[in-house]
Amino acid sequence: KNQVEQSPQSLIILEGKNCTLQCNYTVSPFSNLRWYKQDTGRGPVSLTIMTFSENTKSNGRYTATLDADTKQSSLHITASQLSDSASYICVVSAASNYQLIWGAGTKLIIKP
Amino acid sequence: EAQVTQNPRYLITVTGKKLTVTCSQNMNHEYMSWYRQDPGLGLRQIYYSMNVEVTDKGDVPEGYKVSRKEKRNFPLILESPSPNQTSLYFCASSWTSGRDEQFFGPGTRLTVL
Repeated sequence: KNQVEQSPQSLIILEGKNCTLQCNYTVSPFSNLRWYKQDTGRGPVSLTIMTFSENTKSNGRYTATLDADTKQSSLHITASQLSDSASYICVVSAASNYQLIWGAGTKLIIKP
Repeated sequence: EAQVTQNPRYLITVTGKKLTVTCSQNMNHEYMSWYRQDPGLGLRQIYYSMNVEVTDKGDVPEGYKVSRKEKRNFPLILESPSPNQTSLYFCASSWTSGRDEQFFGPGTRLTVL
């Protein structure tokens, strides 16, 4: 069964610190993996997309990695800011039918 | 401004009273979909549409209907709402398929008493 699991469920860190969020998936065949940021009460917004051939991609202070062999992805946030407080959702697209499998998200809280 | 709009943003209703949540996008996207989001669960797709007059069931279609008569609009219809449909609903659109970046609306918080 195609699944996406994210860890941790929630995370609290101090402003200025770094953190890494994890996403493991069992989706096959794999098309791509996206990370979305969802502020409280708002719709998700795409941060980055990872395709099969990409290992690392950066978007400002956000760096996503993908290991297609182990079916794992991570999102690293550098020098966290209060505005980074949000839920971060990993979603994997299946190549066979472009079905989207959504993770439950990691709720990140940045404390001053 | 490129956007997806939803109305209403908040709705409290009673069991069995038909309701419609509207969704409109101004980006000329072919693909549109509806999701519900419940605490502790990921986004779950209700219905999606690949183009005008083409709709298909997602993961949780029971109790919902949709239509796609125009490219920009994709309303979600609850013919007889029940309390288990209390949720946060999002409409989203993308260029051609779910594989593309999804652009989400602001959400509709529905409470069914």
